[in-house]
Amino acid sequence: KAGVTQTPRYLIKTRGQQVTLSCSPISGHRSVSWYQQTPGQGLQFLFEYFSETQRNKGNFPGRFSGRQFSNSRSEMNVSTLELGDSALYLCASSNPQGNPRLNTEAFFGQGTRLTVV
Amino acid sequence: KNEVEQSPQNLTAQEGEFITINCSYSVGISALHWLQQHPGGGIVSLFMLSSGKKKHGRLIATINIQEKHSSLHITASHPRDSAVYICAVRFVGSQGNLIFGKGTKLSVKP
Repeated sequence: KAGVTQTPRYLIKTRGQQVTLSCSPISGHRSVSWYQQTPGQGLQFLFEYFSETQRNKGNFPGRFSGRQFSNSRSEMNVSTLELGDSALYLCASSNPQGNPRLNTEAFFGQGTRLTVV
Repeated sequence: KNEVEQSPQNLTAQEGEFITINCSYSVGISALHWLQQHPGGGIVSLFMLSSGKKKHGRLIATINIQEKHSSLHITASHPRDSAVYICAVRFVGSQGNLIFGKGTKLSVKP
């Protein structure tokens, strides 16, 4: 069974540009969560999608957005990039049973390392 | 405020030593995860706990719900165990987001 796949692995963008990152969850998983990891703040929750609906959102500005498709693949978008957006962006998939209230193990991808110059 | 604290921040051990990493949290949780992150970034989920104890190979995770505390133990440590270990919790009432500790950087010397 393939794991969580994130593309691209590395990305360099210029301030002011926008970027789209992709996450393909484990087959059958319906929940995808996104996290930002920086040396200063550690891992922080961005948002979670379940069955194409955003269920929860972290404390990030509106420049950060996401969506989930019917096949559970998810994308996140960051517009008007700032230097501080440089980070490792991780996604995790979970919930093969499809019950949003059930705690299940989270499986993480390798991450996309975004550098804003 | 929902917080997760890990200790120690950094840990250096000799190969073969028994290692303990601690995690404390502030309010009730529905689940606690122990994660491992190697250089390069990828995160591997080691355990998910809501009570008691779990064991996988040389790794043991315990949780005390009353004390709001969890420990990750590594027996007979090996240099390949060198990584950052992260505790993450889902607080009761939250819908899906994990709150993470700052991580413990473990270095096991041969």
